[in-house]
Amino acid sequence: NAGVTQTPKFQVLKTGQSMTLQCAQDMNHEYMSWYRQDPGMGLRLIHYSVGAGITDQGEVPNGYNVSRSTTEDFPLRLLSAAPSQTSVYFCASVSGNTIYFGEGSWLTVV
Amino acid sequence: KNEVEQSPQNLTAQEGEFITINCSYSVGISALHWLQQHPGGGIVSLFMLSSGKKKHGRLIATINIQEKHSSLHITASHPRDSAVYICAVTGNQFYFGTGTSLTVIP
Repeated sequence: NAGVTQTPKFQVLKTGQSMTLQCAQDMNHEYMSWYRQDPGMGLRLIHYSVGAGITDQGEVPNGYNVSRSTTEDFPLRLLSAAPSQTSVYFCASVSGNTIYFGEGSWLTVV
Repeated sequence: KNEVEQSPQNLTAQEGEFITINCSYSVGISALHWLQQHPGGGIVSLFMLSSGKKKHGRLIATINIQEKHSSLHITASHPRDSAVYICAVTGNQFYFGTGTSLTVIP
């Protein structure tokens, strides 16, 4: 099992550009989620999905879109990047009470 | 609102010292997790516990459900233990603490 795979690891964007962070898991987990991690604020939930075709907003969803067309993939789209979206992004999947994280994506918006 | 509070935020220790990181939470939970994050690295799960105590090598995690409190202990600390340690709880969703940054000096 590869676990949770996130790409890209690093990305620099200009304000107003759009991009997609990819996330895939091969553990057949129904629950997947995206978090952002900012200094002093811990991990904050952006969007989550409880299964294919179902998504919902988390604590900080504005400026982000997600879709879940398959169990394996859960991409996160930045519609029009803003400097406030400079952060480290983590995708995670959950089975029971166990959470599995991707390696993280470092995003800088200039 | 912080459902999970950790202390201290930062901790520096000499190699060999006994280290304790504390976590308090305010929501009903089914499990508590201790996670480790190395600089520039991903997040890995160290422990998941819902009662009592767990030990893995030099790491020990305890939880007191009545007091809504957990501690992570590191015995005989080593520079390779330098990392951010994050407490998380599973309630109706995952709630995360802001992390404790540990530096162990040789």
